[in-house]
Amino acid sequence: EPEVTQTPSHQVTQMGQEVILRCVPISNHLYFYWYRQILGQKVEFLVSFYNNEISEKSEIFDDQFSVERPDGSNFTLKIRSTKLEDSAMYFCASSDLRGETQTGRLMKEQYFGPGTRLTVT
Amino acid sequence: GENVEQHPSTLSVQEGDSAVIKCTYSDSASNYFPWYKQELGKRPQLIIDIRSNVGEKKDQRIAVTLNKTAKHFSLHITETQPEDSAVYFCAARVGSGGYNKLIFGAGTRLAVHP
Repeated sequence: EPEVTQTPSHQVTQMGQEVILRCVPISNHLYFYWYRQILGQKVEFLVSFYNNEISEKSEIFDDQFSVERPDGSNFTLKIRSTKLEDSAMYFCASSDLRGETQTGRLMKEQYFGPGTRLTVT
Repeated sequence: GENVEQHPSTLSVQEGDSAVIKCTYSDSASNYFPWYKQELGKRPQLIIDIRSNVGEKKDQRIAVTLNKTAKHFSLHITETQPEDSAVYFCAARVGSGGYNKLIFGAGTRLAVHP
Protein backbone atom coordinates (compact mmCIF):
# COMPACT_ATOMS: atom_id res chain seq x y z
CA GLU A 1 0.00 0.00 0.00
CA PRO A 2 1.43 3.41 -0.93
CA GLU A 3 2.52 5.61 1.94
CA VAL A 4 3.52 9.20 2.54
CA THR A 5 7.22 9.41 3.36
CA GLN A 6 9.13 12.14 5.16
CA THR A 7 12.79 13.00 5.61
CA PRO A 8 14.65 13.40 7.82
CA SER A 9 13.09 11.50 10.70
CA HIS A 10 14.85 13.76 13.18
CA GLN A 11 16.36 17.19 12.62
CA VAL A 12 18.34 19.09 15.22
CA THR A 13 19.09 22.71 14.50
CA GLN A 14 20.21 25.83 16.29
CA MET A 15 17.88 28.74 16.90
CA GLY A 16 17.89 31.13 13.96
CA GLN A 17 18.87 28.53 11.40
CA GLU A 18 16.79 27.60 8.38
CA VAL A 19 15.39 24.10 8.05
CA ILE A 20 13.66 22.31 5.21
CA LEU A 21 11.45 19.35 5.94
CA ARG A 22 10.73 17.06 3.04
CA CYS A 23 7.73 14.98 2.17
CA VAL A 24 6.84 12.69 -0.69
CA PRO A 25 3.05 12.45 -0.88
CA ILE A 26 1.24 9.47 -2.36
CA SER A 27 1.76 9.70 -6.09
CA ASN A 28 -1.78 10.24 -7.36
CA HIS A 29 -2.80 12.62 -4.59
CA LEU A 30 -3.49 16.25 -5.36
CA TYR A 31 -3.91 17.86 -1.95
CA PHE A 32 -1.11 18.27 0.53
CA TYR A 33 -0.97 19.39 4.12
CA TRP A 34 1.42 20.11 6.93
CA TYR A 35 0.49 19.62 10.56
CA ARG A 36 2.58 19.91 13.68
CA GLN A 37 2.36 18.28 17.09
CA ILE A 38 4.18 19.74 20.05
CA LEU A 39 5.18 16.96 22.43
CA GLY A 40 2.18 15.72 24.38
CA GLN A 41 -0.26 18.05 22.65
CA LYS A 42 -2.81 17.86 19.86
CA VAL A 43 -2.12 17.77 16.16
CA GLU A 44 -2.45 21.30 14.72
CA PHE A 45 -3.15 22.29 11.13
CA LEU A 46 -0.50 24.47 9.51
CA VAL A 47 -1.25 24.72 5.81
CA SER A 48 -3.01 23.09 2.88
CA PHE A 49 -1.71 23.18 -0.68
CA TYR A 50 -3.34 22.48 -4.02
CA ASN A 51 -2.52 23.26 -7.62
CA ASN A 52 0.81 24.79 -6.66
CA GLU A 53 -0.60 27.28 -4.24
CA ILE A 54 -1.62 27.55 -0.62
CA SER A 55 -5.33 26.85 -0.10
CA GLU A 56 -5.44 27.80 3.54
CA LYS A 57 -3.04 28.47 6.38
CA SER A 58 -3.41 28.75 10.11
CA GLU A 59 -2.27 31.50 12.44
CA ILE A 60 0.78 29.39 13.26
CA PHE A 61 1.92 29.57 9.63
CA ASP A 62 3.48 33.02 9.73
CA ASP A 63 6.04 34.65 7.45
CA GLN A 64 8.77 32.36 8.75
CA PHE A 65 7.09 29.39 7.10
CA SER A 66 6.81 28.55 3.44
CA VAL A 67 5.85 25.52 1.40
CA GLU A 68 6.86 24.44 -2.04
CA ARG A 69 6.35 21.65 -4.48
CA PRO A 70 9.67 21.91 -6.32
CA ASP A 71 9.05 18.94 -8.60
CA GLY A 72 6.42 16.35 -9.31
CA SER A 73 7.01 14.33 -6.19
CA ASN A 74 8.33 16.40 -3.28
CA PHE A 75 6.47 18.76 -0.98
CA THR A 76 8.61 20.81 1.39
CA LEU A 77 8.10 22.94 4.47
CA LYS A 78 10.73 25.59 5.13
CA ILE A 79 11.19 27.46 8.37
CA ARG A 80 13.41 30.45 7.70
CA SER A 81 14.66 31.30 11.15
CA THR A 82 13.80 28.66 13.69
CA LYS A 83 12.72 29.46 17.22
CA LEU A 84 12.77 27.26 20.30
CA GLU A 85 8.98 27.00 20.16
CA ASP A 86 9.18 25.48 16.67
CA SER A 87 10.37 22.26 18.28
CA ALA A 88 7.69 19.72 17.45
CA MET A 89 6.82 16.73 15.31
CA TYR A 90 5.86 17.85 11.83
CA PHE A 91 3.53 15.64 9.84
CA CYS A 92 2.90 15.82 6.14
CA ALA A 93 -0.39 14.47 4.82
CA SER A 94 -1.98 14.01 1.43
CA SER A 95 -5.39 13.22 0.01
CA ASP A 96 -6.84 12.73 -3.43
CA LEU A 97 -10.11 14.64 -3.13
CA ARG A 98 -10.55 17.98 -1.49
CA GLY A 99 -14.08 17.52 -0.25
CA GLU A 100 -17.58 16.65 -1.09
CA THR A 101 -18.67 18.19 -4.31
CA GLN A 102 -22.14 19.35 -5.19
CA THR A 103 -22.73 15.95 -6.72
CA GLY A 104 -22.07 14.38 -3.33
CA ARG A 105 -18.80 12.63 -4.07
CA LEU A 106 -17.22 11.48 -0.86
CA MET A 107 -14.04 12.93 0.45
CA LYS A 108 -11.06 10.70 0.81
CA GLU A 109 -9.08 10.43 4.00
CA GLN A 110 -5.84 12.25 4.66
CA TYR A 111 -2.87 9.92 4.84
CA PHE A 112 -0.19 10.99 7.29
CA GLY A 113 3.54 10.54 6.91
CA PRO A 114 5.71 9.23 9.75
CA GLY A 115 6.71 12.72 10.80
CA THR A 116 9.92 14.68 11.27
CA ARG A 117 10.90 15.48 14.80
CA LEU A 118 12.39 18.98 14.80
CA THR A 119 14.47 19.96 17.80
CA VAL A 120 15.59 23.57 18.02
CA THR A 121 18.36 24.24 20.54
CA GLY B 1 -13.89 29.82 16.26
CA GLU B 2 -13.16 26.34 14.99
CA ASN B 3 -12.74 23.96 17.87
CA VAL B 4 -13.07 20.30 18.77
CA GLU B 5 -13.39 19.29 22.40
CA GLN B 6 -12.48 15.75 23.40
CA HIS B 7 -13.14 13.86 26.63
CA PRO B 8 -11.79 12.20 28.65
CA SER B 9 -8.11 13.07 28.41
CA THR B 10 -7.15 9.72 29.91
CA LEU B 11 -9.07 6.48 30.09
CA SER B 12 -8.04 3.31 31.86
CA VAL B 13 -9.99 0.08 31.34
CA GLN B 14 -9.57 -3.61 31.98
CA GLU B 15 -9.05 -5.91 29.04
CA GLY B 16 -12.41 -6.94 27.64
CA ASP B 17 -14.23 -3.85 28.83
CA SER B 18 -15.62 -1.19 26.51
CA ALA B 19 -14.15 2.28 26.04
CA VAL B 20 -16.02 5.37 24.93
CA ILE B 21 -14.45 8.65 23.85
CA LYS B 22 -16.59 11.69 23.15
CA CYS B 23 -16.05 14.78 21.03
CA THR B 24 -17.98 17.91 20.26
CA TYR B 25 -17.34 20.31 17.41
CA SER B 26 -18.19 23.94 16.91
CA ASP B 27 -18.49 24.40 13.14
CA SER B 28 -21.95 23.29 12.08
CA ALA B 29 -20.72 23.04 8.49
CA SER B 30 -18.35 20.19 9.39
CA ASN B 31 -19.28 17.09 7.43
CA TYR B 32 -16.50 14.57 7.97
CA PHE B 33 -15.25 13.17 11.26
CA PRO B 34 -12.24 10.84 11.32
CA TRP B 35 -10.73 9.12 14.31
CA TYR B 36 -6.98 8.55 14.48
CA LYS B 37 -4.96 6.20 16.67
CA GLN B 38 -1.44 7.28 17.51
CA GLU B 39 1.05 4.97 19.15
CA LEU B 40 4.05 6.45 20.89
CA GLY B 41 6.39 8.14 18.42
CA LYS B 42 4.37 7.10 15.39
CA ARG B 43 2.11 8.75 12.87
CA PRO B 44 -1.63 9.16 13.37
CA GLN B 45 -3.41 6.24 11.72
CA LEU B 46 -7.00 6.51 10.59
CA ILE B 47 -9.10 3.83 12.28
CA ILE B 48 -12.62 4.86 11.35
CA ASP B 49 -14.46 7.84 9.95
CA ILE B 50 -18.02 9.00 9.52
CA ARG B 51 -19.72 11.37 7.13
CA SER B 52 -22.45 13.75 8.15
CA ASN B 53 -25.11 11.86 6.20
CA VAL B 54 -24.63 8.80 8.42
CA GLY B 55 -25.55 8.40 12.09
CA GLU B 56 -23.49 5.34 12.94
CA LYS B 57 -20.73 3.25 11.45
CA LYS B 58 -19.18 0.05 12.71
CA ASP B 59 -16.02 -1.83 11.86
CA GLN B 60 -15.52 -4.97 13.92
CA ARG B 61 -14.84 -3.85 17.51
CA ILE B 62 -14.91 -0.15 16.67
CA ALA B 63 -17.97 2.01 16.12
CA VAL B 64 -18.57 5.70 15.73
CA THR B 65 -21.81 7.59 16.27
CA LEU B 66 -22.69 11.08 15.15
CA ASN B 67 -25.38 13.43 16.44
CA LYS B 68 -25.39 16.38 14.07
CA THR B 69 -28.02 18.28 15.99
CA ALA B 70 -25.97 18.22 19.17
CA LYS B 71 -22.67 18.38 17.27
CA HIS B 72 -21.41 15.32 19.13
CA PHE B 73 -19.59 12.26 17.88
CA SER B 74 -18.24 9.33 19.82
CA LEU B 75 -15.86 6.42 19.42
CA HIS B 76 -16.80 3.09 20.96
CA ILE B 77 -14.30 0.27 21.33
CA THR B 78 -15.68 -3.03 22.56
CA GLU B 79 -13.77 -6.02 23.94
CA THR B 80 -10.67 -3.90 24.43
CA GLN B 81 -7.26 -5.51 24.12
CA PRO B 82 -3.84 -4.35 25.40
CA GLU B 83 -2.85 -3.46 21.83
CA ASP B 84 -5.66 -0.89 21.79
CA SER B 85 -3.55 1.16 24.22
CA ALA B 86 -2.63 4.40 22.43
CA VAL B 87 -3.67 8.03 22.11
CA TYR B 88 -6.87 8.51 20.15
CA PHE B 89 -7.66 11.76 18.39
CA CYS B 90 -10.99 12.83 16.98
CA ALA B 91 -11.08 15.41 14.23
CA ALA B 92 -13.56 17.41 12.24
CA ARG B 93 -13.19 18.66 8.70
CA VAL B 94 -13.68 22.37 8.66
CA GLY B 95 -14.27 24.81 5.89
CA SER B 96 -16.09 25.16 2.65
CA GLY B 97 -15.27 25.83 -0.95
CA GLY B 98 -13.04 22.78 -1.12
CA TYR B 99 -10.84 23.53 1.86
CA ASN B 100 -10.07 20.35 3.68
CA LYS B 101 -8.30 21.01 6.93
CA LEU B 102 -8.77 18.82 9.96
CA ILE B 103 -9.22 20.28 13.41
CA PHE B 104 -8.14 17.77 16.03
CA GLY B 105 -9.28 17.21 19.55
CA ALA B 106 -6.74 17.19 22.35
CA GLY B 107 -6.51 13.41 22.42
CA THR B 108 -7.44 10.61 24.82
CA ARG B 109 -4.76 8.38 26.25
CA LEU B 110 -6.31 4.93 26.49
CA ALA B 111 -4.66 2.32 28.69
CA VAL B 112 -5.98 -1.24 28.53
CA HIS B 113 -4.77 -3.35 31.42
CA PRO B 114 -4.48 -7.14 31.05
